[in-house]
Amino acid sequence: EIVLTQSPATLSLSPGERATLSCRASESVSNYFAWYQQKPGQAPRLLINGPSSRATGIPARFSGSGSGTDFTLTISSLEPEDFAVYYCQQRNNWPVTFGQGTRLEIK
Amino acid sequence: QVQLRESGPRLVKPSETLSLTCTVSGGSISPYYWSWIRQPPGKGLEWIGYIFYSGGTNYNPSLKSRLTISVDTSKNQFSLTLTSVTAADTALYYCARHAGAALSEDLWGQGTLVTVSS
Repeated sequence: EIVLTQSPATLSLSPGERATLSCRASESVSNYFAWYQQKPGQAPRLLINGPSSRATGIPARFSGSGSGTDFTLTISSLEPEDFAVYYCQQRNNWPVTFGQGTRLEIK
Repeated sequence: QVQLRESGPRLVKPSETLSLTCTVSGGSISPYYWSWIRQPPGKGLEWIGYIFYSGGTNYNPSLKSRLTISVDTSKNQFSLTLTSVTAADTALYYCARHAGAALSEDLWGQGTLVTVSS
């Protein structure tokens, strides 16, 4: 199965700063890739699909890029509600797999 | 507004069968794909498998021998059955919707915690 490795494991930033989260796949996943946000006690929420299309209702400060094996989620200017855990997902090969998550915490 | 809700026993004994149902309200179960995803307490996400509204399935090989996902379109529900459970199956179980096999889950239930313990 395809292994997704997210970095860093934890990212400490302040509101207003720019966040850059990375996900690397063990082999190419083409564009069948997504980013999710999960807040404590909540289900994951789809942010980015395909890997640069924002899902419905997702603010423009979230953007995704990359293809093949290397992907990036960028949050241009952090809002207080953005501090959460972020997961990447691939569904180019079965089974669908997720990265281990990046925790974005307030500095 | 479409909503998903998981239901089923919260406590299952080791070696027994875990059964969960996801009820889709506010919309139709067709023509979507419907997934189960789980998350052990404090850990990451694991994809379990999906079912198409017409009945086609795709399972995680790590669970395939113990897993059945089924759909009941008349009740707007789909279900998960996992046999011979162990403590490793203790997790928050989510149901979710996606518009295509290769498309990601865009709507999730709130999740239900299932604990495997005697």
